[in-house]
Amino acid sequence: DQQVKQNSPSLSVQEGRISILNCDYTNSMFDYFLWYKKYPAEGPTFLISISSIKDKNEDGRFTVFLNKSAKHLSLHIVPSQPGDSAVYFCAASSGNTGKLIFGQGTTLQVKP
Amino acid sequence: DAGITQSPRHKVTETGTPVTLRCHQTENHRYMYWYRQDPGHGLRLIHYSYGVKDTDKGEVSDGYSVSRSKTEDFLLTLESATSSQTSVYFCAISASPASEADTQYFGPGTRLTVL
Repeated sequence: DQQVKQNSPSLSVQEGRISILNCDYTNSMFDYFLWYKKYPAEGPTFLISISSIKDKNEDGRFTVFLNKSAKHLSLHIVPSQPGDSAVYFCAASSGNTGKLIFGQGTTLQVKP
Repeated sequence: DAGITQSPRHKVTETGTPVTLRCHQTENHRYMYWYRQDPGHGLRLIHYSYGVKDTDKGEVSDGYSVSRSKTEDFLLTLESATSSQTSVYFCAISASPASEADTQYFGPGTRLTVL
């Protein structure tokens, strides 16, 4: 049973436009959410996170929105750049376990 | 970048043989994790450690064991490798459980092929 789902396997956007990556979750006990970015043949790198007590967190071009009632989070990248082309994973955790549950990933391609 | 190395980086082995993957960190972080990445599944937690000799199971722990005798090293062992364990394995570390104060940092990965 997939507790964290990224239903779009891939997304293609034009350079300079907005990229919106979506993630849904089923476990209402999740209280912390993260986005990781992964390039081929490398480990995932942390991008941005949000606590369940917030509905938005911004870091430069990256903004994460959390809608707890819908159990949905999204990552906005504005403006998108070709270097943003990568696989993006959302992840969630609950309590102080440190265990992360990951979604399947979305491959973003930003075209010049 | 967090000081995490994984060895070997690539390995091909045969079904039924034991395999040990090593994760080494230089950050003195308390928490260490082993994940596997497979198409359509994202990353799934195999085992994790919250201190020396303190380990616990993750989502997909069957067929795997771990050991942590020193803060800096976390070993993942496949007692008898099967083709279903062909995957890319990532180690991660964190100073504390995932929270706004901290997050997990990942190593470069080990690609394991079981023939």
